[in-house]
Amino acid sequence: QSALTQPASVSGSPGQSITISCTGTSSDVGGYNFVSWYQQHPGKAPKLMIYDVSNRPSGVSNRFSGSKSGNTASLIISGLQAEDEADYYCSSYTSSSTYVFGTGTKVTVL
Amino acid sequence: QVQLVQSGAEVKKPGASVKVSCKASGYTFTSYYMHWVRQAPGQGLEWMGIINPSGGSTSYAQKFQGRVTMTRDTSTSTVYMELSSLRSEDTAVFYCARSYCSSSSCPRKYMDVWGQGTTVTVPS
Repeated sequence: QSALTQPASVSGSPGQSITISCTGTSSDVGGYNFVSWYQQHPGKAPKLMIYDVSNRPSGVSNRFSGSKSGNTASLIISGLQAEDEADYYCSSYTSSSTYVFGTGTKVTVL
Repeated sequence: QVQLVQSGAEVKKPGASVKVSCKASGYTFTSYYMHWVRQAPGQGLEWMGIINPSGGSTSYAQKFQGRVTMTRDTSTSTVYMELSSLRSEDTAVFYCARSYCSSSSCPRKYMDVWGQGTTVTVPS
């Protein structure tokens, strides 16, 4: 199972919106509405930000949203803030009943 | 509060095995499956497998088949991940993370609470 493809880095100025893509195949991202997104600050454990493509857990800012079209899912961060600077990973359930993560995206707030 | 507390850092010789523990508290242990995820230094997250704490059934990523064993002890609400035949490429942080088992979907396909991570070092 190959990792899902994410851009290595995305940057934006405070207040701007950015989008992180996550591209897979019809056997994972495109086949199920089971894409989740995780935020990871350096030296810390990942934190769930979005589940089942577009649902936000309690306590996560509504500046974070998710969507999916075909084999590509997206995480949108609006009103970018300094605290959003972190690594972001997508994950999908697969047709093999396993899970696969994305390659990861480093978000920089300029 | 809900917590997953993992065992401490380990240094192992090549060819040895390591067993990492993950103790759950603050919720019903058997209502949540547990995943194990590996992260090599400077690298991304890699799914290793999942265990159902209720019945003990497991599913492993093909990459780790034959080298990983996940078990649980319901009396102490602890899950374990043992990785054998260690090599330098196994140097990584290992995380446990839970997924809820609901009546509509078991388990839910996301990880909502993560442990703090356990660093395993295998010198070359």
